[in-house]
Amino acid sequence: AQSVAQPEDQVNVAEGNPLTVKCTYSVSGNPYLFWYVQYPNRGLQFLLKYITGDNLVKGSYGFEAEFNKSQTSFHLKKPSALVSDSALYFCAVRDIWTGFQKLVFGTGTRLLVSP
Amino acid sequence: SAVISQKPSRDICQRGTSLTIQCQVDSQVTMMFWYRQQPGQSLTLIATANQGSEATYESGFVIDKFPISRPNLTFSTLTVSNMSPEDSSIYLCSVGSTEPYNEQFFGPGTRLTVL
Repeated sequence: AQSVAQPEDQVNVAEGNPLTVKCTYSVSGNPYLFWYVQYPNRGLQFLLKYITGDNLVKGSYGFEAEFNKSQTSFHLKKPSALVSDSALYFCAVRDIWTGFQKLVFGTGTRLLVSP
Repeated sequence: SAVISQKPSRDICQRGTSLTIQCQVDSQVTMMFWYRQQPGQSLTLIATANQGSEATYESGFVIDKFPISRPNLTFSTLTVSNMSPEDSSIYLCSVGSTEPYNEQFFGPGTRLTVL
């Protein structure tokens, strides 16, 4: 079955420093990978996706993600963190076995950016 | 991207009662999904709702407990029936397409507390 793992429950970083939120995947066939962010009392917002092509994907709010096939990883990154980036981040993968209709989510990583 | 609204945004209900959550989209969409996010947890897909057909439920979810309607291409409802405190969660609807490389868009969620 398709799955993603987010090994860190929480990531702490100081404002202005680079941040990385980790995600590894396990899929059959080509992976279709996504990152979403959830701010308090809000729904999920789409950040970026990897379908094919360049391994470095750029998304919303200055975020980017690096697809690494050999390490089966899709880590989310930002060169300089903002306090407003503090939120819950989810990695997700399309489930090939349901005709790609289903999104399978990781357990989420809480990002705390301190001033 | 689609604009999705949900009603109610939150509710507090007594056990044994039922609550119907509405999801409205500003454009016609083929596929709508209902997710549950239990406190501190990731998102779990409840069912897929396509217009003109019965909803498809994921393992662990049944129609008697979570009946879904999809009367047209812009609207769906999820009912949480005979509620218990274990049903306290955030319920989110999302919309997507049949193309695996397209992201899903999420509504703001309905925060349900069952006493």
